[in-house]
Amino acid sequence: QQPVQSPQAVILREGEDAVINCSSSKALYSVHWYRQKHGEAPVFLMILLKGGEQKGHEKISASFNEKKQQSSLYLTASQLSYSGTYFCGTENPDAGKSTFGDGTTLTVKP
Amino acid sequence: DTAVSQTPKYLVTQMGNDKSIKCEQNLGHDTMYWYKQDSKKFLKIMFSYNNKELIINETVPNRFSPKSPDKAHLNLHINSLELGDSAVYFCASSLGGVRSPLHFGNGTRLTVT
Repeated sequence: QQPVQSPQAVILREGEDAVINCSSSKALYSVHWYRQKHGEAPVFLMILLKGGEQKGHEKISASFNEKKQQSSLYLTASQLSYSGTYFCGTENPDAGKSTFGDGTTLTVKP
Repeated sequence: DTAVSQTPKYLVTQMGNDKSIKCEQNLGHDTMYWYKQDSKKFLKIMFSYNNKELIINETVPNRFSPKSPDKAHLNLHINSLELGDSAVYFCASSLGGVRSPLHFGNGTRLTVT
């Protein structure tokens, strides 16, 4: 069962912040975040494991709350280069596969 | 230097034809995947191989047949192509396990007319 992402789309001005949420109805073991620019392949951003950890990558950070079965991606002081579609991927070791949310399209305008 | 490479990048063909997409990774990963991304950008796993062994086979028509001659290669053959097969197909690889990110190829855009 695929995770649910919200919002589906967001439009920002440069310098503004955004939050993208990813939630699952099943227990999460890890959450991956990817960004896909138009016409390109998804690119790995970061992975979060059980334990409620947070991670940061430049001005992009994420949190993972396995009790709430959700993860959030935080983009601060957004840049034009942040535009793209963001996917969360949830892992179930029993299934041995990543299941992706249906993506959040982020558009950063000057 | 390309980590995961797919060929061809574009594939335009007619209904009923048979086509193949090739994928190679030089990352030394044990696990390779095929994902399908439709027009709504939804990424859906199709197959996964670990060391040449099929470990995931999602609900995919029998017309799709993956083949892994060795752990660095995973090809996808599609028989009797249909209009609904039009999509972007991504190959990916990983070390396997919940801690391993996916490395995607650049995708093959398949258009069936």
